[in-house]
Amino acid sequence: GENVEQHPSTLSVQEGDSAVIKCTYSDSASNYFPWYKQELGKRPQLIIDIRSNVGEKKDQRIAVTLNKTAKHFSLHITETQPEDSAVYFCAASKRNKLSFGAGTTVTVRA
Amino acid sequence: DTAVSQTPKYLVTQMGNDKSIKCEQNLGHDTMYWYKQDSKKFLKIMFSYNNKELIINETVPNRFSPKSPDKAHLNLHINSLELGDSAVYFCASSQGVGGLYEQYFGPGTRLTVT
Repeated sequence: GENVEQHPSTLSVQEGDSAVIKCTYSDSASNYFPWYKQELGKRPQLIIDIRSNVGEKKDQRIAVTLNKTAKHFSLHITETQPEDSAVYFCAASKRNKLSFGAGTTVTVRA
Repeated sequence: DTAVSQTPKYLVTQMGNDKSIKCEQNLGHDTMYWYKQDSKKFLKIMFSYNNKELIINETVPNRFSPKSPDKAHLNLHINSLELGDSAVYFCASSQGVGGLYEQYFGPGTRLTVT
């Protein structure tokens, strides 16, 4: 099955700085890579996704890059704000199944 | 206008009991999922249904039995509850099968087994 590794497990950044989370996956057949944000006590919500035929995608302060050859993808958050504090999960999808990384707890310091 | 709803939100019960969690979505999606999130926040898929048919059945004890009476509902019944079943259970839905679509999660059910 698919194995998704996510680093770092915790990340503390100063407000206004950038945050980067990296994930690797094991199965080259995976073709969809979403990122979910989960605030404390809330449900996971999709913030951005990328498909295997695209190398980069950006949505305002959030960007995702995908390197299919190396089987890794990254989330970049610029100009971080306190409301960006949450747990972020990467995931890789093969056929019907999403496999999630272990999550990164991001804390934005004011 | 809730998209994916679950009941109950909290469930506290004793070992050995049987309990059910209900999930409903009003998004018109045809694929629904159950996930388990453990105390370390790890999210793992348990089951997936497409048009009431089981399409994913992970290595889950057979004490867990999902049931999908129609496309909009996916319930989870758990027999003989154990301490290790304590977790947050999330229902989710997506348009289409194939894992290529955004999954919309419900609010979660926090199950505590004592």
